[in-house]
Amino acid sequence: QVQLQESGPGLVKPSETLALTCTVSRYSISSGSYSWSWIRQPAGKGLEWIGHIYASGKSNSNPSLESRVTISLDTSKNQFSLNLRSVTAADSAVYYCAREGYYDHLTGILYDAFEIWGQGTVVTVSS
Amino acid sequence: EIVMTQSPATLSVSPGERVTLSCRASQSVTSNLAWYQQKPGQAPRLLIYAASTRATGIPVRFSGSGSGTDFTLTISSLQSEDFAVYYCQHYNNWPLADRSFGPGTKVDIK
Repeated sequence: QVQLQESGPGLVKPSETLALTCTVSRYSISSGSYSWSWIRQPAGKGLEWIGHIYASGKSNSNPSLESRVTISLDTSKNQFSLNLRSVTAADSAVYYCAREGYYDHLTGILYDAFEIWGQGTVVTVSS
Repeated sequence: EIVMTQSPATLSVSPGERVTLSCRASQSVTSNLAWYQQKPGQAPRLLIYAASTRATGIPVRFSGSGSGTDFTLTISSLQSEDFAVYYCQHYNNWPLADRSFGPGTKVDIK
């Protein structure tokens, strides 16, 4: 069973860079057509897609965060990472990594829904 | 950017009742829509993809319908374990990859 696990500092100072890593188990991130996403959720609020990266290395980001976001792959460690620059208190949230792609065995189609999620990691931006 | 809205924000329901949740997209997403269930302290769980197909292991009491801009998630007979927040999410890839979630509907006990 594929598993994802987020890691990184739980406290980041304003104006600094938030850096998180997602370690993937029981599936090679360099294979297949899945993409690998970051999603966040401020306390008591809804979900916000941050961006994703494909095995090819191509990435896409939420336009509202694009100027501050970098998502990268480390295939040697089977990990993908998020860097969010110039953080403020508004960036405090639970950050989830997720595998994007649900393979329907009946149709043979891969749908871009988030099937597998990490447990989430809390990040607080504060001095 | 496509904006997703959901109604109602909160729904108070008794176990055994039928529940209908609505989701609307600001422009057509065809059938590129998923529904998730989230319980406190847990990651979301995928319920429905392609607007109407249940993910593996999802009980048949959950059903999705709709296309274009208007979608519905129905729970035919609410069970105690179904009290949670439900989110819709679109996944369009043209002209650029774009994903966004609705604000959620909380289903709580009446």
